[in-house]
Amino acid sequence: GAVVSQHPSWVICKSGTSVKIECRSLDFQATTMFWYRQFPKKSLMLMATSNEGSKATYEQGVEKDKFLINHASLTLSTLTVTSAHPEDSSFYICSVAGGSADYGYTFGSGTRLTVV
Amino acid sequence: QKEVEQDPGPLSVPEGAIVSLNCTYSNSAFQYFMWYRQYSRKGPELLMYTYSSGNKEDGRFTAQVDKSSKYISLFIRDSQPSDSATYLCAMRKAAGNKLTFGGGTRVLVKP
Repeated sequence: GAVVSQHPSWVICKSGTSVKIECRSLDFQATTMFWYRQFPKKSLMLMATSNEGSKATYEQGVEKDKFLINHASLTLSTLTVTSAHPEDSSFYICSVAGGSADYGYTFGSGTRLTVV
Repeated sequence: QKEVEQDPGPLSVPEGAIVSLNCTYSNSAFQYFMWYRQYSRKGPELLMYTYSSGNKEDGRFTAQVDKSSKYISLFIRDSQPSDSATYLCAMRKAAGNKLTFGGGTRVLVKP
């Protein structure tokens, strides 16, 4: 599978500010990446599908203006949480579809966001 | 009813025992099946990937898929304390690229 790097691993920000999370595919040109959100002791919730060179596809109920996704290259997708509020505090994880073969998806290490 | 059901646990076993995990699903369109291990505050790590009914073995891990019963299993032999984690099943339809996850089972292997 692919090797995925996600940064930062944790971040604390003030309410009203924006935070950018990066997801890099280190050894595979990823045309598709996914962004998930995970609440404590809960499973992963798909937020959006990020497609290189085009607009992201957001899942129902996810505010596209709050969670901005940019996939400008085959190795980098970014998620920007805009005007963050405490309720945006969560664990955000990216994943890459494919890799050395079209097998199970590879996930980043996750980013823990705390908004104070 | 959720598309993928997974017992949340926790499942507590002594070291060396076999850990048995399973998921059931309702949509026969799911064709690809995965098991992930997730440690606390980390991203999920792919353990097994299968796309056909039957068994697949990799080291201490065995994945089983029974498409007729819409049931998948993961067995961990000779369990170790380091296997303590949350195990997530995930599935994908032949058409499309989204994964659908089970809720995860928390496993605790006691020394």
